[in-house]
Amino acid sequence: QVQLQESGPGLVKPSETLSLTCTVSGGFITNYYWSWIRQPPGKGLEWIGYIYYSGRTNYNPSLKSRVTISVDTSKNQFSLKLSSVTAADTAVYYCARVDGGNLDYWGQGTLVTVSS
Amino acid sequence: EIVLTQSPDFQSVTPKEKVTITCRASQSIGSSLHWYQQKPDQSPKLLIKYASQSLSGVPSRFSGSGSGTDFTLTINSLEAEDAATYYCHQSNSLPQTFGGGTKVEIK
Repeated sequence: QVQLQESGPGLVKPSETLSLTCTVSGGFITNYYWSWIRQPPGKGLEWIGYIYYSGRTNYNPSLKSRVTISVDTSKNQFSLKLSSVTAADTAVYYCARVDGGNLDYWGQGTLVTVSS
Repeated sequence: EIVLTQSPDFQSVTPKEKVTITCRASQSIGSSLHWYQQKPDQSPKLLIKYASQSLSGVPSRFSGSGSGTDFTLTINSLEAEDAATYYCHQSNSLPQTFGGGTKVEIK
């Protein structure tokens, strides 16, 4: 059974960079795309972007100038960096596996609050 | 960007009733439409993939239909455990997008 676990700081100051890591267990990171999705408190889901295990990425244009997703196959991990954060970036951040087009395995999510 | 419009936003339903949730895409997405269930304080769970493909472990009362721009998620004979918010998601075009969600409450 594939499991994903997000980790990283729960509090980030405005204008700083949000950094999260997703650790994949129960399966290999190779041969799949991996996504980041976020959900502001009480709101809907927003797709941030994805990465293939080879390193190929695609980002949501609304965040593209601030987002970097990277992968470390040796650690079975992939990561998210979001720069110049504001209060609008406060959300639960999820990592998920992409199977074809659907998101079949999700992490439990981690709340990141942007506040001074 | 493809916009997915779900309706209704909220539905209060009696157990054993049938629930129908619709998702309309702003342009044709073929069958690249997936449905998720999210219970409070949980991550979304994949229910239906590619508009109508069922998944192992998902109760048979959940079914999906549609193609092109109009899609439907049906819950036959609603159970108390189905109280959740349901989201559609398209993977046909980048950026991928989600519907706004439909909250289903049990009366």
